[in-house]
Amino acid sequence: QSALTQPPSASGSPGQSVTISCTGTSSDVGGYKYVSWYQQHPGKAPKLMIYEVSKRPSGVPDRFSGSKSGNTASLTVSGLQAEDEADYYCSSYAGSNNFVFGTGTKVTVL
Amino acid sequence: QVQLVESGGGVVQPGRSLRLSCAASGFTFNNYAIHWVRQAPGKGLEWVAVISYDGSNKYYADSVKGRFTISRDNSKNTLFLQMNGLRAEDTAVYYCARDQGGGFYDSSGYYYVAVCVDSWGQGSLVTVSS
Repeated sequence: QSALTQPPSASGSPGQSVTISCTGTSSDVGGYKYVSWYQQHPGKAPKLMIYEVSKRPSGVPDRFSGSKSGNTASLTVSGLQAEDEADYYCSSYAGSNNFVFGTGTKVTVL
Repeated sequence: QVQLVESGGGVVQPGRSLRLSCAASGFTFNNYAIHWVRQAPGKGLEWVAVISYDGSNKYYADSVKGRFTISRDNSKNTLFLQMNGLRAEDTAVYYCARDQGGGFYDSSGYYYVAVCVDSWGQGSLVTVSS
């Protein structure tokens, strides 16, 4: 149950786009459609932003999008806004009803 | 709306036990699998355990297997985490988190107890220290 690999940081100016990768294996990210992304502001609980690779829960802006290719999933935030500055975590079903989270990426809006 | 309120955290000595509770409201508790997820200070999220909607299936991360026990009382809309043999590395904020789905078989007959966390509590801090 090794954590999924994310870059420690990413940044962009307001209005630009940023893409965060999440690399796992064929036993987790590559093997199932149950990949999700969470946003966490300091001192707050995480919030679901993307589920089943690319679906957005109600209320999440369409600036947030997800995709997957092989063992790597990606989250793209388009039209960056100040409130998008936060930590982002991916998560995946990992077989046998186990789950794994990513190492986390701190997104900075310049 | 979905509400999950954790309680029972605190400071405990290494080797001792602690029991966390999570009171749920705003949804039909006995229809959903529930997870525990933890976050050590300044660190990332770590999945701990999940229990099926009816309590019949339980799964654990290797790091807590044999020491932690997840359970639920559907009559009281409450989830529990019994933590025994606590270690310094168990120090974390513990989140109770509802699963989005689960409790189904896919086309190949594979049973999913849970698939994705969709709602989180505010967390309860557990500090293991002498």
